[in-house]
Amino acid sequence: DGGITQSPKYLFRKEGQNVTLSCEQNLNHDAMYWYRQDPGQGLRLIYYSQIVNDFQKGDIAEGYSVSREKKESFPLTVTSAQKNPTAFYLCASSRGQSTNEKLFFGSGTQLSVL
Amino acid sequence: DAKTTQPPSMDCAEGRAANLPCNHSTISGNEYVYWYRQIHSQGPQYIIHGLKNNETNEMASLIITEDRKSSTLILPHATLRDTAVYYCIVRAPTDSWGKLQFGAGTQVVVTP
Repeated sequence: DGGITQSPKYLFRKEGQNVTLSCEQNLNHDAMYWYRQDPGQGLRLIYYSQIVNDFQKGDIAEGYSVSREKKESFPLTVTSAQKNPTAFYLCASSRGQSTNEKLFFGSGTQLSVL
Repeated sequence: DAKTTQPPSMDCAEGRAANLPCNHSTISGNEYVYWYRQIHSQGPQYIIHGLKNNETNEMASLIITEDRKSSTLILPHATLRDTAVYYCIVRAPTDSWGKLQFGAGTQVVVTP
């Protein structure tokens, strides 16, 4: 099946620890995105990438880092500088700009602090 | 600034039609209206999108007013599995999804 795979489904972080959330897509999409969702809230954009080896900060990039070394992969690292990391993290992808295309989402990762 | 306005919540009886409104009074001529829904603890799921004509698929119907300033998503026979948050978004084909906002949406609760 084609789609977006996020792992793990649940993740726990200790104080001062960096953790990495995985996002893989086999849709051959150029663009990928990371969102954060807090309870009862909408989605907030952390980072996005329109093409391999390039990415841009979203609205709440502080305390996060990303890489885009391969078209199909867009991992998100939650660093120790992110003081309130507990949230639901969603990865998404789309064919790219200049297209009347849909945004596809993964099933999400729930990150909690121990 | 949000480009769309939706009611925060609505209830619907199982088996009845659910009509979800969305206002987008500043929509531009090339912007499409997209609808997504998010079931609790899952990723949002695409439902439907349209430009100016009414659209229908296996999930829902989208009715866009003639002036395109508002639209209605219709779930023809709501089931308990339709309980979710529904998001209405306007987007031009040249817009990056990274520039768009998924606001709080409408929490729809379908009751038996």
